[in-house]
Order: sequence, then C-alpha cells, then structure tokens
Amino acid sequence: RKEVEQDPGPFNVPEGATVAFNCTYSNSASQSFFWYRQDCRKEPKLLMSVYSSGNEDGRFTAQLNRASQYISLLIRDSKLSDSATYLCVVATDSWGKLQFGAGTQVVVTP
Amino acid sequence: NAGVTQTPKFRILKIGQSMTLQCTQDMNHNYMYWYRQDPGMGLKLIYYSVGAGITDKGEVPNGYNVSRSTTEDFPLRLELAAPSQTSVYFCASSSLREEQYFGPGTRLTVT
Repeated sequence: RKEVEQDPGPFNVPEGATVAFNCTYSNSASQSFFWYRQDCRKEPKLLMSVYSSGNEDGRFTAQLNRASQYISLLIRDSKLSDSATYLCVVATDSWGKLQFGAGTQVVVTP
Repeated sequence: NAGVTQTPKFRILKIGQSMTLQCTQDMNHNYMYWYRQDPGMGLKLIYYSVGAGITDKGEVPNGYNVSRSTTEDFPLRLELAAPSQTSVYFCASSSLREEQYFGPGTRLTVT
C-alpha cells in the first residue's frame, strides 16, 4: 500500500467552477500535512499547509480528517492558471522528512 | 535571490558512465534533500542531510552517493549509471519543519 494515495485525475473543470479532491495517508503518526503545486516540467512549490482545524488561503481551502486519515483541497472560482498537478504531502518525522503522493492533475478549461 | 540551483538541466548518459549532479542553496538552510520523480509517481527521497558533514539514506539510495562538506552544497553522485536511473532529479532545502524549496530539476536519461 502506498504511504500517500491520490486520484491521478485529470479533473477537467470549467473556468469559474469549484473542484475538490482528496488524498489518503497510511501512517496514523503523521504530523504535518501540505499541498504542493507542480506545473508541467517544473519543480514542486508549496501551495499551503493543512492545519487540524482546516484553513483557507484565498480561493483554496484545505481540510484534515485525522480519524479517517485523509486531507482535501477545494478550489473555488477556478482560473485557467490553476491548471497544474497538486501533490499531497505528509511529514512523519519531526524534522520534515516528507512523503509525496503521485499528484492529482487539474485542467481548467475556458 | 537564487534559492536552490541545480546543474546540469539535462544530461544523457551511457550505461556504466558516472556523473555528479550539483545542488547549491543560498538560504543558509541546514536541511537538504535529493529526490527522484518518475512519470506518474510521487517524489522518492534518495538521500538527505541535516547539516554539513551529516548525510543519511532515504527511500531509494541504491546506486547513488552524496556528500555535504558545506552548508550550501549537496552534490549527488551516480556511479555506473543504469537505465533504471532515468528520471527527473530534484534537490530541495529547508529549515526545520518549514517549507521545502526545490531546485528546477535535472532531467537524466541513461541509454
């Protein structure tokens, strides 16, 4: 079983619509959670950290469900520039060793 | 502010050749990492370092070696390249428990 699992997509989303997707993690001792964004043939970049109470950053909302061991990302009012692969990332060590999901591809269409 | 830089951007190696992938960061981060990313797969940790002179194996270390003589540099050495090492290699750095900053990657093909 993979440590971090994601639906690879693609999620085809009309511009202006809302899209949401989840990822599940296997290690119940996981301590920190993140969403990274990776554009085609580019390096990953941090989109947002995910906190236990859930958090919002502009059009992006992240939720954590420790009991069911999943995190989610919701994108509202999708823009063409939101087209990317979104990587679910989980830290199990205190110093930041990360486990990466394979990513969920989002394609926003005009 | 350069952040994390990697060289080369692209490289084609023949089976059995060796090479070093260079990684430098200018953010004074103690923590540095090497990952590989294969198509459709998540990033896999090859080696990491928690400070100059200290390195440790990650999830997929076989066929690679690293050194960390300075805070800034964390080169990755491939000895006896094999087709299975065809991948995109990313170097990253971070402060403790904070965001990891990635370099632009090196695309390596072994034929």
